[in-house]
Amino acid sequence: SQKIEQNSEALNIQEGKTATLTCNYTNYSPAYLQWYRQDPGRGPVFLLLIRENEKEKRKERLKVTFDTTLKQSLFHITASQPADSATYLCALLGGTASKLTFGTGTRLQVTL
Amino acid sequence: NAGVTQTPKFQVLKTGQSMTLQCAQDMNHNSMYWYRQDPGMGLRLIYYSASEGTTDKGEVPNGYNVSRLNKREFSLRLESAAPSQTSVYFCASSNLPSSYNEQFFGPGTRLTVL
Repeated sequence: SQKIEQNSEALNIQEGKTATLTCNYTNYSPAYLQWYRQDPGRGPVFLLLIRENEKEKRKERLKVTFDTTLKQSLFHITASQPADSATYLCALLGGTASKLTFGTGTRLQVTL
Repeated sequence: NAGVTQTPKFQVLKTGQSMTLQCAQDMNHNSMYWYRQDPGMGLRLIYYSASEGTTDKGEVPNGYNVSRLNKREFSLRLESAAPSQTSVYFCASSNLPSSYNEQFFGPGTRLTVL
């Protein structure tokens, strides 16, 4: 069955360091992969989209990679700040489907 | 421009009661979605509406019904609530039927069924 895995354990890093979050998937051939941010008590907010033929996408301090051979996406936040503390969700869109499938998310905690 | 709005924000029901969750968007989006979010399960799609006048089942539709009232509004109805429907419900919208574009989410409705 199709499966999306994100590290369920919280990631704790120090301010100024680079945070790297992982999204792995199996039995899936996604055409697009999206990353969302979710703060406690709020709905997810879209951050970045990367297509299957793109290796890397950047937006300000954010960088996403997409490796369809490894079936993995990495989400990087450089020069992390306490305000980056949140849960980050990856979501996949299959080539013939019009619906997103979400991972369970990884909580990031940036400390001073 | 309020984006996606949901009512109510919180609700407590007894088993067997019914209720309707309301969702509206003011971005002129074609597609709208209902998700539920449970600890350790992530967001799961209940129903979606690719365009006005159409609705389709998602991953977990049992126990729910939906109505796409017009382009702006998409409601979710629980006919006979069960404790297993205790969850946080999110409505979302997107600009394209294929939803490869970003989805915009509402603030959520926290539902407890006793």
